[in-house]
Amino acid sequence: NAGVMQNPRHLVRRRGQEARLRCSPMKGHSHVYWYRQLPEEGLKFMVYLQKENIIDESGMPKERFSAEFPKEGPSILRIQQVVRGDSAAYFCASSPQGSAEAFFGQGTRLTVV
Amino acid sequence: GQNIDQPTEMTATEGAIVQINCTYQTSGFNGLFWYQQHAGEAPTFLSYNVLDGLEEKGRFSSFLSRSKGYSYLLLKELQMKDSASYLCAVRVRGSQGNLIFGKGTKLSVKP
Repeated sequence: NAGVMQNPRHLVRRRGQEARLRCSPMKGHSHVYWYRQLPEEGLKFMVYLQKENIIDESGMPKERFSAEFPKEGPSILRIQQVVRGDSAAYFCASSPQGSAEAFFGQGTRLTVV
Repeated sequence: GQNIDQPTEMTATEGAIVQINCTYQTSGFNGLFWYQQHAGEAPTFLSYNVLDGLEEKGRFSSFLSRSKGYSYLLLKELQMKDSASYLCAVRVRGSQGNLIFGKGTKLSVKP
């Protein structure tokens, strides 16, 4: 049973481009969470999804950011028109129904140049 | 507001015991988690407390006092590989809601 898989591990984008970050949860996990970690900062919650539903997006910036978890395929975090301040590590976590524990992926390190 | 405090850095000696404290003020409480994160890697789950008291798991133990908004992570028989950041996180709503993380405590274990 593979762990939470995120790709790419590293992503470089120029200002104004789009960034797409992918997360495949552990097999059997129906809950996906996205977090952002800035240097020297704690992990900040962004969005919580279940299959085809956004449960809580209270941590998502109102503009340029969107997330989805389709019926088939990985969860996608999409950042449009990236700016330097979007440079961070983006972590995905998943958990099975009824479990408190969340398992984290290795993260995608986004650098905006 | 939501606030989780933990020391920024700690240093300890190989073979010793270290206690990492965490205090929280949150609107609601539904469990406290400790994660270990090595530089550049994913956070890995260490412990979960939802009731007051001590949970022991091998060399690691975690304590919770809900009335005081306080937890600690105790690491015994320290090893060099324990050098990492230790993240305290609180779940504030629902049984599977999101976690609010502290900034982490960077532990350095010296020979």
